Amino acid sequence: SQTIHQWPATLVQPVGSPLSLECTVEGTSNPNLYWYRQAAGRGLQLLFYSVGIGQISSEVPQNLSASRPQDRQFILSSKKLLLSDSGFYLCAWSLRNRGGSTDTQYFGPGTRLTVL
Amino acid sequence: DAKTTQPTSMDCAEGRAANLPCNHSTISGNEYVYWYRQIHSQGPQYIIHGLKNNETNEMASLIITEDRKSSTLILPHATLRDTAVYYCIVRVNAGGTSYGKLTFGQGTILTVHP
Repeated sequence: SQTIHQWPATLVQPVGSPLSLECTVEGTSNPNLYWYRQAAGRGLQLLFYSVGIGQISSEVPQNLSASRPQDRQFILSSKKLLLSDSGFYLCAWSLRNRGGSTDTQYFGPGTRLTVL
Repeated sequence: DAKTTQPTSMDCAEGRAANLPCNHSTISGNEYVYWYRQIHSQGPQYIIHGLKNNETNEMASLIITEDRKSSTLILPHATLRDTAVYYCIVRVNAGGTSYGKLTFGQGTILTVHP
């Protein structure tokens, strides 16, 4: 069966510090990968998605970047954190859709980031 | 993706069925109904999805009306661990190498009490 891991689970960082969040998926190949952010009391916001190694698409302009160095690894980064970067960061995966099949997204446990 | 409307909150007694409604009157013919839930401080958990037929899995049942303008998620025997925010989402499945963005609304806060 497939599993998705995220770490760290919680993180407290000062403003201006760098960030690196990691997500890995096990038990599947060539997944689509996604980074979402959930701010307190608000819905999910898609930040990045990837359909393959080195292929990253950004949904919103921001202080963050994403990379996919391996098929099942997705990294969210920032060079200098802002207060507004605080939130709950979720990684998700789905099967590479081959037309006609569903692409249900499955979420990881999340990383709660607090920027002070 | 079509907009959905859900009640803000609902209560259910432990052991009873929880019936969570969702209205999606502007749903298109190629849009699926998905349900997720989110327990406090955890990632969203996929529950079930359907297009027009009723669906059942080990977690829940999904009843979609014939005109597809509304649906009901049924948890047949609610437990305290089912207390969570339940999200009803309507979306088109992605095809090929494209993606499908999930948009979560406010959802329904389901509280299961002893």
